[in-house]
Amino acid sequence: AQSVTQLDSQVPVFEEAPVELRCNYSSSVSVYLFWYVQYPNQGLQLLLKYLSGSTLVKGINGFEAEFNKSQTSFHLRKPSVHISDTAEYFCAVSDRDDKIIFGKGTRLHILP
Amino acid sequence: DTAVSQTPKYLVTQMGNDKSIKCEQNLGHDTMYWYKQDSKKFLKIMFSYNNKELIINETVPNRFSPKSPDKAHLNLHINSLELGDSAVYFCASSTRYEQYFGPGTRLTVT
Repeated sequence: AQSVTQLDSQVPVFEEAPVELRCNYSSSVSVYLFWYVQYPNQGLQLLLKYLSGSTLVKGINGFEAEFNKSQTSFHLRKPSVHISDTAEYFCAVSDRDDKIIFGKGTRLHILP
Repeated sequence: DTAVSQTPKYLVTQMGNDKSIKCEQNLGHDTMYWYKQDSKKFLKIMFSYNNKELIINETVPNRFSPKSPDKAHLNLHINSLELGDSAVYFCASSTRYEQYFGPGTRLTVT
């Protein structure tokens, strides 16, 4: 069975500082990995996805993530955050049955 | 030109009532979903339909019944509402491996 662990429930970071949101997964088969963002009072929006190929994936709003098979990780990074990045971030995993399992989310809190 | 829309956005009702939430997508996707997000932001899949056929039915009380009249619509009917049903319900549709979410319906049961 698949599962996703987001190690931090909240991450405070100063504006213009870099950030990394951690995500580890477990699965017995090849996986597809995703990061979604949820801004306050909105639905989820896809930031980026890894299906195959290059392990470094670039997404919207300057975010990127690296798939590391040996460490079963898919950490999300941004070199310089902005106040508008304040949101909940969800890591998710899927195998071939179209069912996506979401992590519990990490709240990114940008400090002025 | 909203991709996935839900109505209503807010729903406040009393215990024991029956209510419905509607979802429509204009993306031409074959697969649609209902998710429940609790107060701690935990997102859990409830149902998935592919071209009007139920393909995922997680452990959800029988009081919840999805209905898909066509592949662009997936409605959620809830009978005998309970306090624990209070949550935000999200509809989504998908291409293969990319899901598009609606804005959510905040259900409050009093």
